[in-house]
Amino acid sequence: GAGVSQSPRYKVAKRGQDVALRCDPISGHVSLFWYQQALGQGPEFLTYFQNEAQLDKSGLPSDRFFAERPEGSVSTLKIQRTQQEDSAVYLCASSSAPGASTDTQYFGPGTRLTVL
Amino acid sequence: AQTVTQSQPEMSVQEAETVTLSCTYDTSENNYYLFWYKQPPSRQMILVIRQEAYKQQNATENRFSVNFQKAAKSFSLKISDSQLGDTAMYFCAFMKHVGNTPLVFGKGTRLSVIA
Repeated sequence: GAGVSQSPRYKVAKRGQDVALRCDPISGHVSLFWYQQALGQGPEFLTYFQNEAQLDKSGLPSDRFFAERPEGSVSTLKIQRTQQEDSAVYLCASSSAPGASTDTQYFGPGTRLTVL
Repeated sequence: AQTVTQSQPEMSVQEAETVTLSCTYDTSENNYYLFWYKQPPSRQMILVIRQEAYKQQNATENRFSVNFQKAAKSFSLKISDSQLGDTAMYFCAFMKHVGNTPLVFGKGTRLSVIA
């Protein structure tokens, strides 16, 4: 595709519900990142995939957060038993392989999650 | 660990004027990338400009240029001939030069361009 896409754009969940957020990276980009952006803050790193391998998940705030990318393209970020503090915009970014001429990350529009 | 500091939470500029947004960072790395991203109210983060730390020449993209001072760990963004469409949050970000690594962002500067 022309850019990174994310769905849904908006999600409202009741506390305790599970949610799944989807990211479609730029075609051919092997690296995929998830970030969490709280209101009025800069994005903070959650996890990173290279192809289907999750190479870094050090930013996931708790074991309620889980991400996967089974075929090395589309990724899903799942949050179990959502809490109010999970309310944020979840951003996905993709970039070309390590060693390429550019390591620029290209971002999707984000999913705004509101937990009531 | 790397940190990025943007000391100006909000700024405003008259249309057609020039504005400079500040960014400082802290790292022990010698090789890295620095970025400025723009996030308009629609929320899509857009790359404005990037700088490789090993390059002494300051990056320029049309009306956008940077003043990169490696020794001072400073990376400011200058926007010339400001336009109403430049109104957005601007984030400074750092990335280590080791394959693909996460971006470390500052808290952002909200820029308003006034007609």
